Amino acid sequence: DGGITQSPKYLFRKEGQNVTLSCEQNLNHDAMYWYRQDPGQGLRLIYYSQIVNDFQKGDIAEGYSVSREKKESFPLTVTSAQKNPTAFYLCASSKPGAPGYGYTFGSGTRLTVV
Amino acid sequence: QQQVKQSPQSLIVQKGGISIINCAYENTAFDYFPWYQQFPGKGPALLIAIRPDVSEKKEGRFTISFNKSAKQFSLHIMDSQPGDSATYFCAASRGRGSTLGRLYFGRGTQLTVWP
Repeated sequence: DGGITQSPKYLFRKEGQNVTLSCEQNLNHDAMYWYRQDPGQGLRLIYYSQIVNDFQKGDIAEGYSVSREKKESFPLTVTSAQKNPTAFYLCASSKPGAPGYGYTFGSGTRLTVV
Repeated sequence: QQQVKQSPQSLIVQKGGISIINCAYENTAFDYFPWYQQFPGKGPALLIAIRPDVSEKKEGRFTISFNKSAKQFSLHIMDSQPGDSATYFCAASRGRGSTLGRLYFGRGTQLTVWP
């Protein structure tokens, strides 16, 4: 079955460390997205990519970085510059040319700073 | 600036009752309005969606009502069940431009249905 796989499910980071969250999809979707979810804040867009080797900042990109070297993969690095990284991170993908259609989410990674 | 405003933040309904969640938007370029359902520890999943050329769409117990002139849309859950307890997000997107396909989400409504 096609879908999006996020790993790990839980991640603990020490202050000052960079960590990378994995997102892989086998849906043949061109567009991929990273969202951050905090209680009462909804889903806030961090970065998105509409095509391989290209990506754009979302609303809260500071302290994060991404790469898109393959269509299937869109890893997110949470850098030490991110002041409050503890959150639930969601990856999504969508079908090109179909606004909103095929917007599939992964199961998320819960990141905790210890 | 919040592109899509959602209310209420939380909602408690008795089993069998009607749950109503409201959303409002400003950008008239939006042309697709989905609702997502999220259970704890899971990613959101598409529940139902509507385009602005219709005023209502029904799928089972879930209905979207859309008021284009008021720039508002709402989700109605009829005969609410404890299994409907989840967080619901409304969203909007537009079909043209450089941000094709990007969804703008409301802040979510946590629904609790008491047995």
